[in-house]
Amino acid sequence: SQQGEEDPQALSIQEGENATMNCSYKTSINNLQWYRQNSGRGLVHLILIRSNEREKHSGRLRVTLDTSKKSSSLLITASRAADTASYFCATDKPGNQFYFGTGTSLTVIP
Amino acid sequence: DAGVIQSPRHEVTEMGQEVTLRCKPISGHDYLFWYRQTMMRGLELLIYFNNNVPIDDSGMPEDRFSAKMPNASFSTLKIQPSEPRDSAVYFCASSLRSGGLPYEQYFGPGTRLTVT
Repeated sequence: SQQGEEDPQALSIQEGENATMNCSYKTSINNLQWYRQNSGRGLVHLILIRSNEREKHSGRLRVTLDTSKKSSSLLITASRAADTASYFCATDKPGNQFYFGTGTSLTVIP
Repeated sequence: DAGVIQSPRHEVTEMGQEVTLRCKPISGHDYLFWYRQTMMRGLELLIYFNNNVPIDDSGMPEDRFSAKMPNASFSTLKIQPSEPRDSAVYFCASSLRSGGLPYEQYFGPGTRLTVT
């Protein structure tokens, strides 16, 4: 079974607004990563947060991790049309097991 | 570096035929992953290799699927015989993990397989 589940499944916002996506997982992890997938393309790594970190920033991206709630969130600030894509969380479990979530489809309307 | 290379990009075949998907990982990477993506099941890890050795193939759906990595620069995923339910996009990814540190995966463009 899949380890990560993203919420919402789909999100539509206006350009310039912020987009927030959530990921929940089931068991303990080594780290959690977020990936983006543009239509018809492979996944691209965005950011990694370790299990002992609570928050991480990269450009317009902000990721939080709450290991007590087994959840993470990805915030994209000042969204652009080019941010339109599917976003996946991926958990790296002890024992090198690696799982992707179901993804959030983000549409940014110009 | 050219990134992860997959071939073919598209494959259309008839049920019962053998299908071979190919992957060239990024030079120097020591992990290679095969994934399958469908609308119904999302992105599934099929198998992964470390230093050319299969580590976990628990995601391989059934005996019709097999994967090999004869050397550090080449891997194949074979389906024999193929069935319509195998239609999906198959991704190969590679990564470098050193000293137990976390790693990111680099994905290829995928092979879109259609079995009629």
